[in-house]
Amino acid sequence: AQKITQTQPGMFVQEKEAVTLDCTYDTSDPSYGLFWYKQPSSGEMIFLIYQGSYDQQNATEGRYSLNFQKARKSANLVISASQLGDSAMYFCAMREVNTGGFKTIFGAGTRLFVKA
Amino acid sequence: EAGVTQFPSHSVIEKGQTVTLRCDPISGHDNLYWYRRVMGKEIKFLLHFVKESKQDESGMPNNRFLAERTGGTYSTLKVQPAELEDSGVYFCASSQDGRTGKLFFGSGTQLSVL
Repeated sequence: AQKITQTQPGMFVQEKEAVTLDCTYDTSDPSYGLFWYKQPSSGEMIFLIYQGSYDQQNATEGRYSLNFQKARKSANLVISASQLGDSAMYFCAMREVNTGGFKTIFGAGTRLFVKA
Repeated sequence: EAGVTQFPSHSVIEKGQTVTLRCDPISGHDNLYWYRRVMGKEIKFLLHFVKESKQDESGMPNNRFLAERTGGTYSTLKVQPAELEDSGVYFCASSQDGRTGKLFFGSGTQLSVL
């Protein structure tokens, strides 16, 4: 069963506007971590943001914030004030602490295009 | 500090040939992971090393894939003999953050089996 679902294969956003990339997950483990990674055209995967399942507040890292809706099992990434350099693939990921071993599992990704 | 490096960046081989991918993790990172992404699909876990030991190899597709991690430093992933469905991007990642499991990735090896 798919544990990480990213329903948007591609997204367009105008430069300087905000964009939300969707991610839903499925787990029965009460302890887990959620991640977003960015893959620019250079190929390297870059860590953006982390949210622990017990964290009370939504994670923020600069222009990135994670909209964590635990009951809905969603972990959407919000990028504020988009820049041309934000054009890339974005992957949502999850690590289950108790049941998943030490591996992180990924979604299929969303390709973001930022228009000038 | 050097990041995770992978070699080669691209490899084109014929079906039935052997290919060996190499990954050098960040110095001091005990955890090393291999992942694979087939075009348009999710990034799939292959296996996890802790130092030189295989912690989890549940994602390895079959016995044509062999991973090693010599002395707990660099790792190799050998595919022998390669099949068409092995084509994809192979990523290596390392981690030392026990709390979050944050991964540091290499740029990947694009493998094309013709």
